[in-house]
Amino acid sequence: EVQLVESGGGLVQPGRSLRLSCAASGFTFDDYAMHWVRQAPGKGLEWVSGINWNSGDIGYADSVKGRFTISRDNAKNSLYLQMNSLRADDTALYFCAKGAEDYFQYYAMDVWGQGTTVTVSS
Amino acid sequence: EIVLTQSPDTLSLSPGERATLSCRASESVSISYLGWYQQKPGQAPRLLIYGASSRATGIPDRFSGSGSGTDFTLTISRLEPEDFAVYYCQQYGSSPLTFGGGTKVEIK
Repeated sequence: EVQLVESGGGLVQPGRSLRLSCAASGFTFDDYAMHWVRQAPGKGLEWVSGINWNSGDIGYADSVKGRFTISRDNAKNSLYLQMNSLRADDTALYFCAKGAEDYFQYYAMDVWGQGTTVTVSS
Repeated sequence: EIVLTQSPDTLSLSPGERATLSCRASESVSISYLGWYQQKPGQAPRLLIYGASSRATGIPDRFSGSGSGTDFTLTISRLEPEDFAVYYCQQYGSSPLTFGGGTKVEIK
C-alpha cells in the first residue's frame, strides 16, 4: 500500500524554526517528485514547495521563499521541510504529497498523507 | 504566478443532479497541466482529474473534466451522496504551482 506519513508538527513561537518529515512507503521513492502543500484553518490549499526525484530542481511559493527549505533523502525514503523564521500566517495543516512522475512540474499529485499541524503562536 | 479563480464558491444541489464547476486561469495553462481534487472534511485531498480531462485511477466515470487555455470545467453527471465535498483546481505547468480557492458542493 502506498503511504505517506508526516511528522514534526507542533506549537512554535514566532521567529523560531521547525522541521517536518514525511516517511514514504509502498512505492519506489526515488522515481517520483514530492511536494509540501498546506491548508490554514478553514481555508483552501496552498502549494508550498516541490522537489524533483533527484533534488535537481526545486520550487517554492513566494510566501515561503528564503525561509523554508525542502529536501529529500532517497536512501531513507523521506522528504523534509525545514521552516525558519516562522510567522503566525504559517499556521496550517501541512500535507506531504507524491508527484505522479519524476518532475515536480508537469504532473499532478496522486497520493497524499494525512498531514501534520503547525501552530505558530506566542 | 498563475491565479486560478473557481466559481461558484458554493453549489447547492440535490443527489442525482448535475454539477458544473468552473476554473478560470489568469493566463494560459501550458498543455492542459490542470488537475482537479476532491476534499472531504477531515480528510486529505484526492486527485480526480489530471491533464484537464483524464480520470485518475479508481475515479468513477460520472466525473469528467474539460477545457483548455484559461477555462476549465469539472462536471459531475449525477451527484451521489459521497460527492458532496470541496473541489479544487490546480495548475502544475508553471512554478509556483497554484490552486484555486475551491468550490463547495453542498446538499440542497
